[in-house]
Amino acid sequence: AQTVTQSQPEMSVQEAETVTLSCTYDTSENNYYLFWYKQPPSRQMILVIRQEAYKQQNATENRFSVNFQKAAKSFSLKISDSQLGDTAMYFCAFIPYSGAGSYQLTFGKGTKLSVIP
Amino acid sequence: ETGVTQSPTHLIKTRGQQVTLRCSSQSGHNTVSWYQQALGQGPQFIFQYYREEENGRGNFPPRFSGLQFPNYSSELNVNALELDDSALYLCASSLARQGSTEAFFGQGTRLTVV
Repeated sequence: AQTVTQSQPEMSVQEAETVTLSCTYDTSENNYYLFWYKQPPSRQMILVIRQEAYKQQNATENRFSVNFQKAAKSFSLKISDSQLGDTAMYFCAFIPYSGAGSYQLTFGKGTKLSVIP
Repeated sequence: ETGVTQSPTHLIKTRGQQVTLRCSSQSGHNTVSWYQQALGQGPQFIFQYYREEENGRGNFPPRFSGLQFPNYSSELNVNALELDDSALYLCASSLARQGSTEAFFGQGTRLTVV
């Protein structure tokens, strides 16, 4: 079984500053994917960024980047130049690689991020 | 917008009743999964349907059941509702293919059991 832990229930950041959200996970799998999802008040889960465990290079998507440390089972999200629209719950999630067809995501409990004007 | 729509958006039911939640998948997607998100928690996987067959289930009792239809829309049914079933229920659709991992979520149905 996999577990995902987010140790920061809430965080805040000034607009235009940088913030890092932490995530650790536990698994016996060697091949897997890690994700950060954003859930704004509209409730819809939106994929922010994805990391494939077999890739050593950290994923980046515009202002969002990750620090993936496979040996430490750590997967943090860095948001640069924070914007008011980044205010949301952020969930770290894990899925083992099983070929096509499995979308059983394991989520952490989330971090509530507030961007302050 | 992801193209995944759920109905209704909100629902209030009495303990012991039965409820049906609906999900319309994104066009072209053949896989749907359902999650329960209790207040202040992350979503928990309930089950997944692929081509109308259940092909994965989380730690939920049999009173949680589902259907997937030929057009790939889906229903989540919960019998004998309990107070702890109060939660946001999320549906996610995907296209099952090698290397594909992205699930597109709907906006959820907020179920309150009183």
